[in-house]
Amino acid sequence: QKEVEQNSGPLSVPEGAIASLNCTYSDRGSQSFFWYRQYSGKSPELIMSIYSNGDKEDGRFTAQLNKASQYVSLLIRDSQPSDSATYLCAAFGGTSYGKLTFGQGTILTVHP
Amino acid sequence: DVKVTQSSRYLVKRTGEKVFLECVQDMDHENMFWYRQDPGLGLRLIYFSYDVKMKEKGDIPEGYSVSREKKERFSLILESASTNQTSMYLCASRTEMQPQHFGDGTRLSIL
Repeated sequence: QKEVEQNSGPLSVPEGAIASLNCTYSDRGSQSFFWYRQYSGKSPELIMSIYSNGDKEDGRFTAQLNKASQYVSLLIRDSQPSDSATYLCAAFGGTSYGKLTFGQGTILTVHP
Repeated sequence: DVKVTQSSRYLVKRTGEKVFLECVQDMDHENMFWYRQDPGLGLRLIYFSYDVKMKEKGDIPEGYSVSREKKERFSLILESASTNQTSMYLCASRTEMQPQHFGDGTRLSIL
């Protein structure tokens, strides 16, 4: 079983829509969660971090964390073609001491 | 801003060569990491270090070694390069409870 699992893609949404990216994790000791965006041929770039239950908003991005359900999500409002990328979910803490555990990534395409 | 610098963006080497990939961070981070990323396989951790001269194996350490003589510098060494080590290599650093930041990556081709 994968320790961090992301919804299978690819995900395609029209410009202006809300893109919803989901992630579940198996280690209940995980404490911190991160979303990275990775454009093709580039390195991952941190876009959101969340540490406590609830929602965290930053511009068009909202991260949601539910530790009871072991679920993390990222919502992108008013999606733009420039949001087209691979999104990586990562968890820190628990038995993976000292290192992040990454999901496989979800490819998002925003079409005009 | 955190700056993680990898010495090369693109590198071409020959089979059997000893290859050094260098990574430097400027934020006094304790933890440094080396990953490789291949299509369909995601990010895979090769080695990490949580202090000078300390190292831990990641998920795929075979064929690699690392060196951390100074806190800011973490080197990945391919002892005898093989074609299956052709990949994108990513260095990252982090301090406790803070997000991890990546370098720009090195695309390594072994011919």
